[in-house]
Amino acid sequence: DIVMTQSPDSLAVSLGERATINCKSSQSVLYSSNNKNYLAWYQQKPGQPPKLLIYWASTRESGVPDRFSGSGSGTDFTLTISSLQAEDVAVYYCQQYYTTPPMYTFGQGTKLDIK
Amino acid sequence: QVQLVESGGGVVQPGRSLRLSCAASGFTFKVYGMHWVRQVPGKGLEWVAFISYDGNNKYYVDSVKGRFSISRDNSKNTLYLQMNNLRSEDTAVYYCAGGVSHFDYWGQGTLVTVSS
Repeated sequence: DIVMTQSPDSLAVSLGERATINCKSSQSVLYSSNNKNYLAWYQQKPGQPPKLLIYWASTRESGVPDRFSGSGSGTDFTLTISSLQAEDVAVYYCQQYYTTPPMYTFGQGTKLDIK
Repeated sequence: QVQLVESGGGVVQPGRSLRLSCAASGFTFKVYGMHWVRQVPGKGLEWVAFISYDGNNKYYVDSVKGRFSISRDNSKNTLYLQMNNLRSEDTAVYYCAGGVSHFDYWGQGTLVTVSS
């Protein structure tokens, strides 16, 4: 089974500062057939379902502010919030998709707070 | 706008069954792969099951294989999860979600509590 490990488990960042969350996969999520990394990022606020932020490692979902960006390839990925806003306080999850057979695994989550 | 509304959760004894439903609107349900994802309150997310757009392909996490069954009715824009032989470790909020390689749309979730 593919294991997704996020770091750190929690972090606190000052308003306006950069926040960086890492996600490491136990095996590559890059598919050579289409050169896509099947890695997504979600934001979950208390009492709400998760919300898709980034897919294919770096494609921002429609309507997501451009302060959110994703990078990485293969096994190592990063979610960056360039200038933290108060509304960004949430838990963030990475998620991978394995195609054969279809299997989906989430990271354990990273709790982001304001310092 | 896109809406996914789950129903059917509740308190059930171990070994009993429950069927969850998810009513979809605001998007073309019949062309979307659909999932169930669960979350123990205060914990992380766990993918449970996937069904292809036409219902011909179904996949499950190992811990529910043989006990849970995912299905859909494209004429009713509804997704289902039949849960049999429930265990205490199945206690969670169950979300329905739409997408294939990632989860574009999410419902608000329905809580299933397995307890005697």
